[in-house]
Amino acid sequence: ETGVTQSPTHLIKTRGQQVTLRCSSQSGHNTVSWYQQALGQGPQFIFQYYREEENGRGNFPPRFSGLQFPNYSSELNVNALELDDSALYLCASSGGGGAAKTSTDTQYFGPGTRLTVL
Amino acid sequence: AQSVTQLDSQVPVFEEAPVELRCNYSSSVSVYLFWYVQYPNQGLQLLLKYLSGSTLVKGINGFEAEFNKSQTSFHLRKPSVHISDTAEYFCAVTTRAGAQKLVFGQGTRLTINP
Repeated sequence: ETGVTQSPTHLIKTRGQQVTLRCSSQSGHNTVSWYQQALGQGPQFIFQYYREEENGRGNFPPRFSGLQFPNYSSELNVNALELDDSALYLCASSGGGGAAKTSTDTQYFGPGTRLTVL
Repeated sequence: AQSVTQLDSQVPVFEEAPVELRCNYSSSVSVYLFWYVQYPNQGLQLLLKYLSGSTLVKGINGFEAEFNKSQTSFHLRKPSVHISDTAEYFCAVTTRAGAQKLVFGQGTRLTINP
């Protein structure tokens, strides 16, 4: 069973640029959640996708957007990068088969993408 | 809205000593509770979760946690720690309704000294 993978591992961008981060879900999972973890902080929920539809969003501006593809992989896009966007971005997959999305599911996290904005 | 407070940012203990990592939460609705561990340069791994039933929950690697509704706490314990337990530990909650959107505490860094 393949776990959650993320790419790239590290990324350096400059202020104002755009970035795309990628996540491959664990086999059989239909839900992907994205979190931002600033240095020394706990992760913060950005948004979640269930079967290609956004299923909830945290307190992040619209320049943070996402996609989920038919194979349940996902992208996180951030436009107009700011210095405060520097963080570890974590993807988590959950859910399986035809089960409805539920808050009891275990989320399985990838290793993250470290984004540095200069 | 929910919030989580981890009362200790750092906890140093000696190897084979017991440890308790404290977590309090605030919510106006019923919640599910989780503990995750993050090893250096890795993602988060679920240690245990409380959904319902017995308030004492056993997890992986010898960890356990007790849900106390009256004190809105979910403290994590291990009777004897090992060097390999050195990591960052996060307490998290989510509401029972709808999809799981975890709200995390700020983390507790557990350092095991030989």
